[in-house]
Amino acid sequence: QIQLVQSGPELKKPGESVKISCKASGYTFTDYAMHWVKQAPGKGLKWMGWINTYIGKPTYADDFKGRFVFSLEASASTANLQISNLKNEDTATYFCARGKQGRYVMDAWGQGASVTVSS
Amino acid sequence: DVQMTQSPSYLAASPGESVSISCKASKNISTYLAWYQEKPGKTNKLLIYSGSSLQSGTPSRFSGSGSGTDFTFTIRSLEPEDFAVYYCQQHHEYPFTFGSGTMLERK
Repeated sequence: QIQLVQSGPELKKPGESVKISCKASGYTFTDYAMHWVKQAPGKGLKWMGWINTYIGKPTYADDFKGRFVFSLEASASTANLQISNLKNEDTATYFCARGKQGRYVMDAWGQGASVTVSS
Repeated sequence: DVQMTQSPSYLAASPGESVSISCKASKNISTYLAWYQEKPGKTNKLLIYSGSSLQSGTPSRFSGSGSGTDFTFTIRSLEPEDFAVYYCQQHHEYPFTFGSGTMLERK
């Protein structure tokens, strides 16, 4: 079955970097886009952008341009999210989610990766 | 950005009842509206996309309607497993935006 398994919780200090992984299984990785979604504590969902897994091209929402990088290890069916120069407001759960073909909706989700930024 | 206003934020109902959730877009998004379910300990689930299309595996008691700026999500005859948080999402244009969520609690 389709699964997206994300890396574990992270505790970081302001200014540090973090890399979150999302390993896909149960389907052909490069046939589907991968989206990233942020959920701050007690808040709703915020779309960060997506990456075309076939050509590796990322698209970022404006609020996530600069410190956020989507990347791939296609041979390992893995998508990554790297956040640099962490700020307190980056404290959140980050979800990877597979894009449904032909639609900008997300038809399979990871379990979420918690990132806590605290000095 | 397209603002999605979802209401109510909280809803209490009993199994067997029917409930509806509203989602209003700040501009015309045609029928590019999806609904998701969030439950503790489970991954988020896509239920409906393009306004009214049921995602594979979504039970027929779930339905979506609307176009333009006004959309409705309905669960007919609630089952015990339906108590969850529901979000709408517009998939018409970047950046894709979500409603603030509706917590459906068992009365």
